[in-house]
Amino acid sequence: DIQMTQSPSSLSASVGDTVTITCRASQNIRNYLSWYQKKPGKPPNLLISAAYNLQTGVPSRFSGAATGSGTDFSLTISSLQPEDSATYYCQENDSAPYTFGQGTKLEIK
Amino acid sequence: QVQLVESGGGVVQPGRSLRLSCAGSGFTFSRYALQWVRQAPGKGLEWLAGISHDGGYKYYTDSVKGRFTISRDNSNNTVYLQLNSLRSEDTAEYYCARAPGGLDYWGQGTVVTVSS
Repeated sequence: DIQMTQSPSSLSASVGDTVTITCRASQNIRNYLSWYQKKPGKPPNLLISAAYNLQTGVPSRFSGAATGSGTDFSLTISSLQPEDSATYYCQENDSAPYTFGQGTKLEIK
Repeated sequence: QVQLVESGGGVVQPGRSLRLSCAGSGFTFSRYALQWVRQAPGKGLEWLAGISHDGGYKYYTDSVKGRFTISRDNSNNTVYLQLNSLRSEDTAEYYCARAPGGLDYWGQGTVVTVSS
């Protein structure tokens, strides 16, 4: 099974800042990587699929990138807004079981 | 609009069974793979099971293999998750999601509590 290592586990930033969350796969997942935003009491919301593809309706402040040989990925949120306070998860979509990362809790100061 | 609605959750004793349902609408149900994901209290998201558009392929994470069974009825636009031999650690909110790649639409979730 593919292991997904996400970091940091938590971070705190101010409105207007830019933050980056990283996710590393234990093997090449060919950019089959999604990012989700999860708020308490709500289902997860798909932000980015296939490493780069921003979903319709998601602000352009969110962006995804891939580096390395299909193993290293990042989610960048620029111009942080109060509503960005949430937990963010990566998920590999290459082969089952489609493992999630451990999550990154983002606090807006 | 695309909707997924889960049902079937509740309080159940350890060792008992439960069947979760997820009804889809607003899209051609039979064209999409579907997956189940759960979140235990205070924990992260855990992927559980997936099923191909026609039900021909089914996938499970190791922790539920042999206890949980995913199935679908395309004539009724419903996907199921049969939960057997439930344990306290299965207490969680369970979500179904549409899976064209990333999980683009999710239900609101149904809560399963395993307790004596």
